[in-house]
Amino acid sequence: NAGVTQTPKFQVLKTGQSMTLQCAQDMNHNSMYWYRQDPGMGLRLIYYSASEGTTDKGEVPNGYNVSRLNKREFSLRLESAAPSQTSVYFCASSDIAGGYEQFFGPGTRLTVL
Amino acid sequence: QKEVEQNSGPLSVPEGAIASLNCTYSDRGSQSFFWYRQYSGKSPELIMSIYSNGDKEDGRFTAQLNKASQYVSLLIRDSQPSDSATYLCAVNEGKTSYDKVIFGPGTSLSVIP
Repeated sequence: NAGVTQTPKFQVLKTGQSMTLQCAQDMNHNSMYWYRQDPGMGLRLIYYSASEGTTDKGEVPNGYNVSRLNKREFSLRLESAAPSQTSVYFCASSDIAGGYEQFFGPGTRLTVL
Repeated sequence: QKEVEQNSGPLSVPEGAIASLNCTYSDRGSQSFFWYRQYSGKSPELIMSIYSNGDKEDGRFTAQLNKASQYVSLLIRDSQPSDSATYLCAVNEGKTSYDKVIFGPGTSLSVIP
């Protein structure tokens, strides 16, 4: 089992460019999450999906959109990147069967110039 | 605003000592509590989950929960240099949102050989 996978690992964008971060899990989890982590700020929830077909805003959703393509995949899109979106992005998944313990992907380090 | 706070670091302990990491939370409805370890440049990794008042032990790690005091702690016995990392406390968002958690800012632990 690969667990949670994310692509790409690194990305550099120019202000105004768009991109999609991909996430997939093979643990048959219902809930999936996108977080960003900035120095001194901890992990902040951008969006989450409680099940296939549903998404909900988290603490910092502005500038992002998400798609829960199916049970396995949850993508995060930046439509017009801004320097303030420079961060490390983590995808995670969990399920009630595991007490909602979250398992994280390796992260995407994004720099917006 | 629901909050999770952790003791400010960095925390330094000598090898073989007990490291004590503390976390307080504001939402009295929270039911699930998690400790994650994050090495520099890596993704968070679950160490312990605890759901009931009292102690839960797993090897050198003990999680302690006191819901009345809204306090959860992590003790690391016989600390090793490999325990040097940032430890994140996470608490679920009360009774209506079991699958969403709020992360604390983390405590950096350094174990000195």
